Amino acid sequence: EAGVAQSPRYKIIEKRQSVAFWCNPISGHATLYWYQQILGQGPKLLIQFQNNGVVDDSQLPKDRFSAERLKGVDSTLKIQPAKLEDSAVYLCASSLDRDHEQYFGPGTRLTVT
Amino acid sequence: AQKVTQAQTEISVVEKEDVTLDCVYETRDTTYYLFWYKQPPSGELVFLIRRNSFDEQNEISGRYSWNFQKSTSSFNFTITASQVVDSAVYFCALTPYGGSQGNLIFGKGTKLSVKP
Repeated sequence: EAGVAQSPRYKIIEKRQSVAFWCNPISGHATLYWYQQILGQGPKLLIQFQNNGVVDDSQLPKDRFSAERLKGVDSTLKIQPAKLEDSAVYLCASSLDRDHEQYFGPGTRLTVT
Repeated sequence: AQKVTQAQTEISVVEKEDVTLDCVYETRDTTYYLFWYKQPPSGELVFLIRRNSFDEQNEISGRYSWNFQKSTSSFNFTITASQVVDSAVYFCALTPYGGSQGNLIFGKGTKLSVKP
């Protein structure tokens, strides 16, 4: 069974530029999550989707971050404009539903200069 | 408020030693799940175990074992006869049952280095 796929794996941008990350969850998984992991810390949830609806986006900085999950499968996370403090690894995870364990992708390491 | 504390930032052991990673949590929820994840140098978080708050039985899986004690709000993880491949950052996490379920609250992680 294929795992959670993410791209790109690495991205370097200048502050004030925009960037987008893509995630393809495990087939059949209804719930999709985006996490931000700053160096030396545990991941922090940004947004959670159930199919194509948002369940929890309380920790998403909505002035600059946006995410969508069209058709309830793939998802994209966008940052516009980026700030230096956005430098982190962005992890995507999926689960069968909210009652099951989450499986994580390899992450996208973002560096903002 | 919900919080997970992993007091050990880094641990270094020699291969074949046993090692215990501590996890203490805080929650007002009466039902919740606890997790352990492993993050090797490749970066991908690997699911190890999920335990719900109703089940205080200890769990053993090969060289791994988990000790859940509700009375002390702890969910410790022991690796027996450690191996070099166990070197990674280990995260303990908590999520409420129902409501905000799925919002994993992670600790800051414990970096384990196993030397040959």
